[in-house]
Amino acid sequence: GQQVMQIPQYQHVQEGEDFTTYCNSSTTLSNIQWYKQRPGGHPVFLIQLVKSGEVKKQKRLTFQFGEAKKNSSLHITATQTTDVGTYFCASLGSSNTGKLIFGQGTTLQVKP
Amino acid sequence: KAGVTQTPRYLIKTRGQQVTLSCSPISGHRSVSWYQQTPGQGLQFLFEYFSETQRNKGNFPGRFSGRQFSNSRSEMNVSTLELGDSALYLCASSPGLLLTDTQYFGPGTRLTVL
Repeated sequence: GQQVMQIPQYQHVQEGEDFTTYCNSSTTLSNIQWYKQRPGGHPVFLIQLVKSGEVKKQKRLTFQFGEAKKNSSLHITATQTTDVGTYFCASLGSSNTGKLIFGQGTTLQVKP
Repeated sequence: KAGVTQTPRYLIKTRGQQVTLSCSPISGHRSVSWYQQTPGQGLQFLFEYFSETQRNKGNFPGRFSGRQFSNSRSEMNVSTLELGDSALYLCASSPGLLLTDTQYFGPGTRLTVL
């Protein structure tokens, strides 16, 4: 079945350092959504990208959708302890059937 | 608006039993999706209901079933529980008119099977 691969699985950074997580697919994706799950919490929607090469920013977070719509990235500038959590990408895949396929997630730890 | 609510929040069952989980979506949302979250498999799509009809289904055995009521509330049932069914079960609601609608997740039901 369709898969969305996300790397790295874990990332430990010092507060103030940057952080990036990547999602990759072997097939063209119709869209990419990004979610954040705090420890003990539930996924919370961050953003959706649908256009080839799209870049969106939310304060210190920058989201990109690749030109071929097969990859995406989330970059956090100058991490803070409030950024701690697991970041998931998710996509409807190429068939756009309505099944949301999630990446495995990247767990971010920030050392103060 | 009130968020997505799920009951119960925690559940302990033994192998062979069955369980029913409930999800109340955000008011006005007609789509409810269910996901299983485990440390090893991550977030996996179970099924989606829209206007009382199952619109999409993931790759789970028939022991996992669901339904949606006319008020959009949804229930998920797992029969003949196995140890591997221990997981956080999340439901998410959305307006449901567009496949790309934002999913709003509930707090989840933590199921432990002994």
